[in-house]
This record gives sequence, C-alpha cells and structure tokens, in this order.
Amino acid sequence: EAGVAQSPRYKIIEKRQSVAFWCNPISGHATLYWYQQILGQGPKLLIQFQNNGVVDDSQLPKDRFSAERLKGVDSTLKIQPAKLEDSAVYLCACRLAGTVQYFGPGTRLTVT
Amino acid sequence: DQQVKQNSPSLSVQEGRISILNCDYTNSMFDYFLWYKKYPAEGPTFLISISSIKDKNEDGRFTVFLNKSAKHLSLHIVPSQPGDSAVYFCAASAIQGAQKLVFGQGTRLTINP
Repeated sequence: EAGVAQSPRYKIIEKRQSVAFWCNPISGHATLYWYQQILGQGPKLLIQFQNNGVVDDSQLPKDRFSAERLKGVDSTLKIQPAKLEDSAVYLCACRLAGTVQYFGPGTRLTVT
Repeated sequence: DQQVKQNSPSLSVQEGRISILNCDYTNSMFDYFLWYKKYPAEGPTFLISISSIKDKNEDGRFTVFLNKSAKHLSLHIVPSQPGDSAVYFCAASAIQGAQKLVFGQGTRLTINP
C-alpha cells in the first residue's frame, strides 16, 4: 500500500511571497490533516478534512493560510503572504478508522 | 497551553539497556494515547498506542504504561538498539473530539553502541 505523498519536499521563499503544498493521502482514507511542525516542537494541527468538508480549522491562520480538498482525495495548503515565522515542516496525515494517523514525509519551508 | 508535555528534550542510553521516555498530560478528556517515532527528513511513524481502559500495552520490545490518576504515560524500549535513535512524540486524543491528536514536544533518543 502506497503511503502519503507530499510535494515539494523542500521550499525556500522570501517573506511576502506565496507558496503551496500538495498532499496525496493513502487511498480510501477519508480523513486528512495538515500539521505545522516548528523546529523543536511537536506537530500542531492546522486543519482537518472529512472527505472534502472541513471538520476543524480553528488553528488555521485564515488571514494568510488556506486549504482545500477537492473531490475528497488530494489536498493543497497555501500560504499567502508568507512570514518569517511560517518557517516549519508542513506535514500531511490521513486516517481511515480508529485514531492512528499516517503521516507523509513533510515539506520543509524556509522563509527568508 | 501545553496539554501534552514531554519534559526531557533528549535522552542518551547504552545499547542493550532500557530506554524510558515520559509524557504528562493535563486534559482529563484524553482517552487514547499514541507514541510516534520520527527519523530526520521523514514523517512521524506510529509505534504503539494505549486506551485509557488499560494501564499497559506491549508490542515486542515496546511497552507503554498509563497512569491515569497521575496523568502520566511512559514508553519503555527493551533492549534498546541503535536503530531506535530517533525523536519520539507522545500524542493524545479524545475519542469524542473528532480524533484530533495533540502532540508533545518530542524527546530525542540516542542509543550509544
């Protein structure tokens, strides 16, 4: 079974630029999550989708972050405009049933 | 407000000995706990979990203990192997809370040969 795919793996941008991350979850996993992991901290949930509907986006900075999951499969997370404090690893995870979430390799974003 | 805390940023253990990683939580609504392991440049991978109705769960070299009254859990690795060197994250979930995971800060475990 293929795992969670994310791209790009690394991205360097200047502040005020925009950036987008892509996630392809494990086939059939209806629940999809985006996390932000700042260096030295644990992953922090940004948004949770169930199929193509948003379940929880209470921690998403909506003035600059947006996410969508068209057709309930792939998802994109966008930051516009980026700030220095957005430098982090962005992790996508998915869940089929139960509580265990399966993570992708992440995208390391550096904002200069 | 840090609901899940791993107070040891790092731990160094001799190969073959026991590694004990600790985790504390504050939210009494949490009823399911997981440990994830993370290698550099990879995403976290699920290791072992425990429900609040149990106080111990074992899987091979890995055992998780839960003390609900103390709001404390620990992961024991016996015997420790060099491949166990990684960052370990404790995570907690409230089953009725849309299956959200709240993570601790992580503990970097180094196994010395």
